[in-house]
Amino acid sequence: DAEITQSPRHKITETGRQVTLACHQTWNHNNMFWYRQDLGHGLRLIHYSYGVQDTNKGEVSDGYSVSRSNTEDLPLTLESAASSQTSVYFCASSRDTNTGELFFGEGSRLTVL
Amino acid sequence: AQTVTQSQPEMSVQEAETVTLSCTYDTSESDYYLFWYKQPPSRQMILVIRQEAYKQQNATENRFSVNFQKAAKSFSLKISDSQLGDAAMYFCAYKQYGGSQGNLIFGKGTKLSVKP
Repeated sequence: DAEITQSPRHKITETGRQVTLACHQTWNHNNMFWYRQDLGHGLRLIHYSYGVQDTNKGEVSDGYSVSRSNTEDLPLTLESAASSQTSVYFCASSRDTNTGELFFGEGSRLTVL
Repeated sequence: AQTVTQSQPEMSVQEAETVTLSCTYDTSESDYYLFWYKQPPSRQMILVIRQEAYKQQNATENRFSVNFQKAAKSFSLKISDSQLGDAAMYFCAYKQYGGSQGNLIFGKGTKLSVKP
């Protein structure tokens, strides 16, 4: 079965370190998204991509970057981790931008000390 | 900018009873989609139900149905015959139709507890 996987599922890092969260989907979806989930804020969009070599900033993109070199992967990089980036991160993909149905990964819990 | 508001941070329902989760949104667009997503304790979010704004008929998926009031910008979720497995965070979400706006705007969520 096609799926979307995130790794690592849990990570603890220190302030200032670079961190990369991986997202891999096997649905061949063009559209991929990264959200962060914080208590009291719901899900907020960080970055998204509509295809290879396409990346766009979302609502809370400062301190994050993404790259899309193939259809299957959209890694999220924190160039210099900050305590404010402690959160649960969700990757999602969708086949069609019109219908908007997203398929989510299981999430990556990141703690920045 | 579009916003989505869920005014009930937490709700509780007795098993086999019916519960309604509220959602309001703000938009100046006429064409859009609305969604309810469920996030069980295992954390993977799944789509519960979807409504196209141009459709007057309320969407239904088994025990889940919505009350879509376009003029009032209201989109509530009704869960009938609640089951223990319905316990989860529920997120209401909005998506503008077409164009480059392929991303969803989520509310802050409602935590639903189901009592046996």
